[in-house]
Amino acid sequence: ETGVTQSPTHLIKTRGQQVTLRCSSQSGHNTVSWYQQALGQGPQFIFQYYREEENGRGNFPPRFSGLQFPNYSSELNVNALELDDSALYLCASSLSRQGSPLHFGNGTRLTVT
Amino acid sequence: GIQVEQSPPDLILQEGANSTLRCNFSDSVNNLQWFHQNPWGQLINLFYIPSGTKQNGRLSATTVATERYSLLYISSSQTTDSGVYFCAVEGRGSTLGRLYFGRGTQLTVWP
Repeated sequence: ETGVTQSPTHLIKTRGQQVTLRCSSQSGHNTVSWYQQALGQGPQFIFQYYREEENGRGNFPPRFSGLQFPNYSSELNVNALELDDSALYLCASSLSRQGSPLHFGNGTRLTVT
Repeated sequence: GIQVEQSPPDLILQEGANSTLRCNFSDSVNNLQWFHQNPWGQLINLFYIPSGTKQNGRLSATTVATERYSLLYISSSQTTDSGVYFCAVEGRGSTLGRLYFGRGTQLTVWP
């Protein structure tokens, strides 16, 4: 059974640039959720994707967008990067949209300078 | 959103000691999960426990949903237990599917 994989592991970008983070879900999981974790904080929900549609969004601006592909893998895109976007971005997959344990990848650490 | 409070924020133990971590939440929830975040940042799901008690080796968890709290017990702690323990709850209604996390308990186990 393949777990959740994320790429890249680390990324350094300049303010104003755009970034794409990638996630492959665990085998058999059709739902992917993205979380942002600032230093010293708990993760915060960005959005969830189910069957290629956004299924719930947290308190993040529209410059945070996502995609889910037919194989259930997913991308997180962030436009017009700001210094406060520096964080660990975590992807999680689950068997269903709700009521199911989440399994997280190792995360992508994004630094915006 | 749902408020999740974890205590204590920091815990320092010697190897072999037992500990109890607490999680309080502010509203009815669909489920509760406990995670361990290792020093490399990966979140490992320890328990999916909407109610009742579960055990997995030296770890056990109890959730009393009607009183809006959960406890994580670690017995005979080992240095590999070090890291941050997070409690997360899934909302209901329009917030189904999203987890609300606490700020975590930083556990350090010394040999």
